[in-house]
Amino acid sequence: AQSVTQPDIHITVSEGASLELRCNYSYGATPYLFWYVQSPGQGLQLLLKYFSGDTLVQGIKGFEAEFKRSQSSFNLRKPSVHWSDAAEYFCAVGAPFSNDYKLSFGAGTTVTVRA
Amino acid sequence: NAGVTQTPKFQVLKTGQSMTLQCAQDMNHEYMSWYRQDPGMGLRLIHYSVGAGITDQGEVPNGYNVSRSTTEDFPLRLLSAAPSQTSVYFCASSTDTYGYTFGSGTRLTVV
Repeated sequence: AQSVTQPDIHITVSEGASLELRCNYSYGATPYLFWYVQSPGQGLQLLLKYFSGDTLVQGIKGFEAEFKRSQSSFNLRKPSVHWSDAAEYFCAVGAPFSNDYKLSFGAGTTVTVRA
Repeated sequence: NAGVTQTPKFQVLKTGQSMTLQCAQDMNHEYMSWYRQDPGMGLRLIHYSVGAGITDQGEVPNGYNVSRSTTEDFPLRLLSAAPSQTSVYFCASSTDTYGYTFGSGTRLTVV
């Protein structure tokens, strides 16, 4: 069974500073990996995903993530944070070649952006 | 607009009452699922369906029932509401390449 750990519950970052959110997964092989963002009172929006190939993945809103097999990690980064990036971020994992397409989510990291 | 529609957006129930959370999608996705979101626990899978007439349990199915009579609809039934079911519920549909679309959620309070 797959699982995801997001070690940081809450991160505060200054506007314009860089941001890195950590994600570690547990799976017997290389899983499919996702990052979602949830603004207050909203549903989840996909930021980016990794299936295979280039381990540095570009997403929407200026985010990128890097898959590191040796560390079982898929950390999310943004070089310069905007106030609108304040939200909750979820890492998720799915099993390749699955016939049920279930996603397992981490507990989430809340990002606060200070002026 | 195409997407996943959840109703109601907010609901307050008394302990022991039953209700159905509605979910409909118009993207012809075969896969649909229900998650609950609780603080510090992320999203946990309640039930899912890989097509009309097929449903299965997820991680936290107790106290919930589902059915999938059509591709479009996937209602979630609370049989006898308990305070522990106070949560935000998300319905989602997906393509067969993990192309998920989430609804906007139902905030349920059981008193």
